[in-house]
Amino acid sequence: QKEVEQNSGPLSVPEGAIASLNCTYSDRGSQSFFWYRQYSGKSPELIMSIYSNGDKEDGRFTAQLNKASQYVSLLIRDSQPSDSATYLCAIQGFGGTSYGKLTFGQGTILTVHP
Amino acid sequence: DAGITQSPRHKVTETGTPVTLRCHQTENHRYMYWYRQDPGHGLRLIHYSYGVKDTDKGEVSDGYSVSRSKTEDFLLTLESATSSQTSVYFCASSRDIPGDTQYFGPGTRLTVL
Repeated sequence: QKEVEQNSGPLSVPEGAIASLNCTYSDRGSQSFFWYRQYSGKSPELIMSIYSNGDKEDGRFTAQLNKASQYVSLLIRDSQPSDSATYLCAIQGFGGTSYGKLTFGQGTILTVHP
Repeated sequence: DAGITQSPRHKVTETGTPVTLRCHQTENHRYMYWYRQDPGHGLRLIHYSYGVKDTDKGEVSDGYSVSRSKTEDFLLTLESATSSQTSVYFCASSRDIPGDTQYFGPGTRLTVL
C-alpha cells in the first residue's frame, strides 16, 4: 500500500462546478498536511496547509482533514479554467525517520472546461 | 515566493558521466531538499539538509550524493549518471520543521542518454 494515495484522475469538471480532490495516508503519526498545485512544466506551489481536524477555508479553496479516517481533501468551489493543473497532496511525518519529511501522492490532474 | 534558483535548467548528458545540479536560495532557510519527479511517482525525496554540512538520505538516495557548505547552496551530484536518473529534479527549502512550508525552485530537466 502506498503511503499517500490520491484519487485517480484525470478529473474533469465544468466551469463553475465544485472540484473534489481526495487523499488518504497510512502514517497515523502524520501531523501536517499540504495541497500543492503544479501547472504543466512548472514547480509545485502551496495552496493550502491544514494541521487540525475539520475544515479550513481560503477563498474558493477548502481543505478538510479527518485524522481518524486518515483522510484529507481539497474542494475547489466555482472552478475556473485557470484551476486546471495537477494537484499534489503532501503529508509531513512527525515521528522517527519520517520526522519533517514530506511524502507526496502521485497527483490528480484536474481539467476545468468552459 | 521564496528566492530559489536552480542551475542548470536543462541538461543532457551521457551514461557514466558525473553531473552536479545546484540549488541556491536567498531566504536564509535552514532546511533544503532535493526531489525527483517522474510520471506516476509524484515527487520523491532524494536527500535533504538540516543545516550546513548536515545532510540525510531520503527514500531514493542510491546513486546520489549531496553537499552543503553554505546556508544558501545545496548541491546534488550524480557520480556516474544512468538512464534511470533521467528525470525532473526540484530543489526546495523551508525555514523550519515540522509544519513549515516548503518552497520549490523552478526545476532542472536532466536527460541521461
